[in-house]
Amino acid sequence: GENVEQHPSTLSVQEGDSAVIKCTYSDSASNYFPWYKQELGKRPQLIIDIRSNVGEKKDQRIAVTLNKTAKHFSLHITETQPEDSAVYFCASNTGGFKTIFGAGTRLFVKA
Amino acid sequence: ETGVTQTPRHLVMGMTNKKSLKCEQHLGHNAMYWYKQSAKKPLELMFVYNFKEQTENNSVPSRFSPECPNSSHLFLHLHTLQPEDSALYLCASSQDPLDATSYEQYFGPGTRLTVT
Repeated sequence: GENVEQHPSTLSVQEGDSAVIKCTYSDSASNYFPWYKQELGKRPQLIIDIRSNVGEKKDQRIAVTLNKTAKHFSLHITETQPEDSAVYFCASNTGGFKTIFGAGTRLFVKA
Repeated sequence: ETGVTQTPRHLVMGMTNKKSLKCEQHLGHNAMYWYKQSAKKPLELMFVYNFKEQTENNSVPSRFSPECPNSSHLFLHLHTLQPEDSALYLCASSQDPLDATSYEQYFGPGTRLTVT
C-alpha cells in the first residue's frame, strides 16, 4: 500500500548548524507534500508545504525540495535554534482525503 | 477556545468500559479526521468525514465507532478496547480536501487514552 519513509528517526545538531530530514513516498500520484512540527505535548502544526509542480520552496530558515522522479522530498532547516527542537513529520497526499504521514524525526538542537 | 478542541484530554478506561471522545472545530471547515498516534509510529489515519459523510475507514476495528452529526462535531465511541489501543487520539479538520488550495489540516490537542 501507500507509505512514506522518513529518515533519520532521531537527529541531534549543534545550535547554528543545519538539519536535513529526508522522505520517500510510494504513490506516484501524490501531488502535495506538507511538513508538520509537533513540539513536546503539543499538536502537530503545518510549517511548510510543497506541491508537485514546484521543485523547491523556502520560508525564512526552512526550505523543502522535491524530486518527483526519485519520489524524494526533504526538509532543510538552517541556523538551527533550540526552539526548533521538536518532532517533524513529512506527509504526502494525492489530492484527496487521505494524507500519509512518515514516522517522524525527533530533532534535538543543543545550545 | 478557537481552532480544534478535544475532550477529554486524558482518559483511562478498562477493557469492558464504553467511552466517547469528542472533537469540535471552530474554523468552518468541511472535513474532519481521526488519527491514532502511537510511540515511534506514523500518524495513522482512522476515519475521514467530508460534509458529515464518511469517506474513509482505514480498516479500523469495529470497537472504534465514529459519529459526525454535523460539520463541526466529531465523536469516537470506544467499547471493549484492548491495551494496545492505548495511544494519543488526534482530531483534525481541513477546509475542503478536494480543493487544492486548502489541504492543510488543523489538529486538536489530542486525547491521551490508556486502556487498562
